[in-house]
Amino acid sequence: ETGVTQSPTHLIKTRGQQVTLRCSSQSGHNTVSWYQQALGQGPQFIFQYYREEENGRGNFPPRFSGLQFPNYSSELNVNALELDDSALYLCASSLGTNKNEQFFGPGTRLTVL
Amino acid sequence: AQTVTQSQPEMSVQEAETVTLSCTYDTSESDYYLFWYKQPPSRQMILVIRQEAYKQQNATENRFSVNFQKAAKSFSLKISDSQLGDAAMYFCAYRNVRGSTLGRLYFGRGTQLTVWP
Repeated sequence: ETGVTQSPTHLIKTRGQQVTLRCSSQSGHNTVSWYQQALGQGPQFIFQYYREEENGRGNFPPRFSGLQFPNYSSELNVNALELDDSALYLCASSLGTNKNEQFFGPGTRLTVL
Repeated sequence: AQTVTQSQPEMSVQEAETVTLSCTYDTSESDYYLFWYKQPPSRQMILVIRQEAYKQQNATENRFSVNFQKAAKSFSLKISDSQLGDAAMYFCAYRNVRGSTLGRLYFGRGTQLTVWP
């Protein structure tokens, strides 16, 4: 059974650029949640995708957007990057949106210069 | 909105000793889940233990146990017989079981645990 994978591992961008982060969910999982973890902070919920539809969104501006594909993998897109977007971005997959455990990937470290 | 507070930014323990990490939370819900996650330097968040609020019995997983005080909204993690591999950042997290915020985790700011040989 393959776990949750994320790519790339590290990424450096400049302010104003756009970035796409990718997440492959664990086999059999149909739900992907994205979190932003700033340095020294706990992860904050960005949004969740369930069966290709957005199923809840945290307090993040519209320049944070996402997609989920038929194979349940997911992308996080961030437009017009700001310095404060520098963080570790974690995705977590689960079976359904309720009781089942969320399994986390190793994260993508984004640095915005 | 749900909030999770970890008041200990750092803790340390001697190998083989016991340490307790504290967590409090705020919610108006009666049913929810609470979690402790471990994040080692590899960054991958690993579930340590889970507690369902409707269960009065405290959860236990090998050397890890919790003290769940629902009325006080307190959820502490006890690590017994600490091992060097327990060194990591520990996050307390909360999750609703119904409503529009179903499925999202709310995390505290974490406690960095150091284990001394």
